[in-house]
Amino acid sequence: GAVVSQHPSWVICKSGTSVKIECRSLDFQATTMFWYRQFPKQSLMLMATSNEGSKATYEQGVEKDKFLINHASLTLSTLTVTSAHPEDSSFYICSARDAGTNTGELFFGEGSRLTVL
Amino acid sequence: AQSVTQLDSQVPVFEEAPVELRCNYSSSVSVYLFWYVQYPNQGLQLLLKYLSGSTLVKGINGFEAEFNKSQTSFHLRKPSVHISDTAEYFCAVRAGSNTGKLIFGQGTTLQVKP
Repeated sequence: GAVVSQHPSWVICKSGTSVKIECRSLDFQATTMFWYRQFPKQSLMLMATSNEGSKATYEQGVEKDKFLINHASLTLSTLTVTSAHPEDSSFYICSARDAGTNTGELFFGEGSRLTVL
Repeated sequence: AQSVTQLDSQVPVFEEAPVELRCNYSSSVSVYLFWYVQYPNQGLQLLLKYLSGSTLVKGINGFEAEFNKSQTSFHLRKPSVHISDTAEYFCAVRAGSNTGKLIFGQGTTLQVKP
């Protein structure tokens, strides 16, 4: 099946620094990727829809200047948490849809756990 | 707008017993429905999906779900669970458009006891 890879799988950073998380579709092209955030013992909250070659679409309440999304190619989307603070600590998961099929299925990355000290 | 409600936050069950995880959705348009499983500190794995056709959908690991349009439900079932089925299960809905955006339910923790 299709594989989505996230890197890093976990990261610890100091407050005020920026952290970049990569999401790659390894064996398919993804014109659209999605970024989710998950707090402990909670569901996934959609943050934004990442569109290749255009600006991301952010969900209501998500700060676009805080969470920068870039989708520069058909296989790579990045999420940058700028000036991170402890409240940004969370599990971030990306997903992608295979542009070559119409199965409706989204493929998920393994997730990236961010801890801000 | 679409929404998903998983009625049970935790479901404890003994090994080899049957289990049902409930999911109800609301939508003003046609929907696609999914069940995902998440093991600790991992991403999501698709168990099964309903796009169209037969309302009884079979997935991996012996799971199945039935789409009931009149009751707007998509409950997940397994006739005999294993310890390894202990995980978090998420029901998700996608509107019948091409955006691909999935809306997730709150999740149900399945705890299989020996």
